[in-house]
Amino acid sequence: AQSVTQPDIHITVSEGASLELRCNYSYGATPYLFWYVQSPGQGLQLLLKYFSGDTLVQGIKGFEAEFKRSQSSFNLRKPSVHWSDAAEYFCAVAPSGDSNYQLIWGAGTKLIIKP
Amino acid sequence: DGGITQSPKYLFRKEGQNVTLSCEQNLNHDAMYWYRQDPGQGLRLIYYSQIVNDFQKGDIAEGYSVSREKKESFPLTVTSAQKNPTAFYLCASSGGGKGKNIQYFGAGTRLSVL
Repeated sequence: AQSVTQPDIHITVSEGASLELRCNYSYGATPYLFWYVQSPGQGLQLLLKYFSGDTLVQGIKGFEAEFKRSQSSFNLRKPSVHWSDAAEYFCAVAPSGDSNYQLIWGAGTKLIIKP
Repeated sequence: DGGITQSPKYLFRKEGQNVTLSCEQNLNHDAMYWYRQDPGQGLRLIYYSQIVNDFQKGDIAEGYSVSREKKESFPLTVTSAQKNPTAFYLCASSGGGKGKNIQYFGAGTRLSVL
């Protein structure tokens, strides 16, 4: 079965430090890949997506993610975090070329920012 | 502004009562979704609809019902058969073509049991 793993439930980073959130997926072909962010008590906002082409994708709020086919990974990065980045981050996957509209979701990583 | 509107923001349910959560979108999207979110469990799909007058069960449909009579509306009813309804409920929608997998979310409804 297809699955998405976010190995870190919580990550604590100092303000101004760099960030990497991990995401691994289990799927035979190259899927479509997404990162979403959720502030407390709010809905989810799309940060970035990968469909094809350049494996390094840029998103909103200064985030980027790199697709590595050999590692089945799509890790999210930011060079310098701000206190406003404290939120929960979700990785999601969709089988490409499938008529199914559904996304397969990771369990999320909660980002805590130390002042 | 285009978007997804969920109402109410907070909802309380009494024992044995059915409650309905509203979800409206003005994005002209074909597909709509309902998710349940519990702490530490990510998003779990309750129901989804890819077209008007059609919907499919997700992973945790028991105790819930939906309708899709209009393209812009996808209400979720939490029935008395759902014994543990306390959760954060999120509605989403997606368009067609390559965008069919890009989901846009409402701000959520928090349901609690009295």
